[in-house]
Amino acid sequence: DTAVSQTPKYLVTQMGNDKSIKCEQNLGHDTMYWYKQDSKKFLKIMFSYNNKELIINETVPNRFSPKSPDKAHLNLHINSLELGDSAVYFCASSPMPGRDTQYFGPGTRLTVL
Amino acid sequence: ILNVEQSPQSLHVQEGDSTNFTCSFPSSNFYALHWYRWETAKSPEALFVMTLNGDEKKKGRISATLNTKEGYSYLYIKGSQPEDSATYLCARPTGSARQLTFGSGTQLTVLP
Repeated sequence: DTAVSQTPKYLVTQMGNDKSIKCEQNLGHDTMYWYKQDSKKFLKIMFSYNNKELIINETVPNRFSPKSPDKAHLNLHINSLELGDSAVYFCASSPMPGRDTQYFGPGTRLTVL
Repeated sequence: ILNVEQSPQSLHVQEGDSTNFTCSFPSSNFYALHWYRWETAKSPEALFVMTLNGDEKKKGRISATLNTKEGYSYLYIKGSQPEDSATYLCARPTGSARQLTFGSGTQLTVLP
């Protein structure tokens, strides 16, 4: 019974391609997030999505777009992949932002060649 | 301090030793402080969410304290075990959306 799941776990692709990473949570949470673990292993917030309100971190390129078909899913679409997009991407969810614990998915390791 | 700073960056201790590390954050407009444990090749796992000045929370051998007036939190591990080896992250909600801003973590290695 995985609480937050991501697919795929590994993704290897060529520069310039478009790819998606899927995230699903079965916790009934209202808020979902995408994080990027950078080369220095920092976890940086990319997006949060709460009750159809999308908050985008200003440093995220517009090639990245989250899509939420319903409350349990927040997928990450990446257009025109670049070498610098190679990283581990984590999805997370929480009841509400701020004071509620966030539950993280297992991560997706993206490698752009 | 603009966001979240953690020290030390890394720490090696012997099995059985007790240890502690620090998370510093701006003391103004405090909302909450999160602690996470992150093992290599796994995902971050929540330890504590602390909201009140003077809060002390405990989970097994791990405990944390909070001082919002001076802007720091300590994480303590009593009788460290090799399975405690991990990176310990603290984070605080920032911005109107209360998104978490993480520190760079303290990487703990417990030597058998």
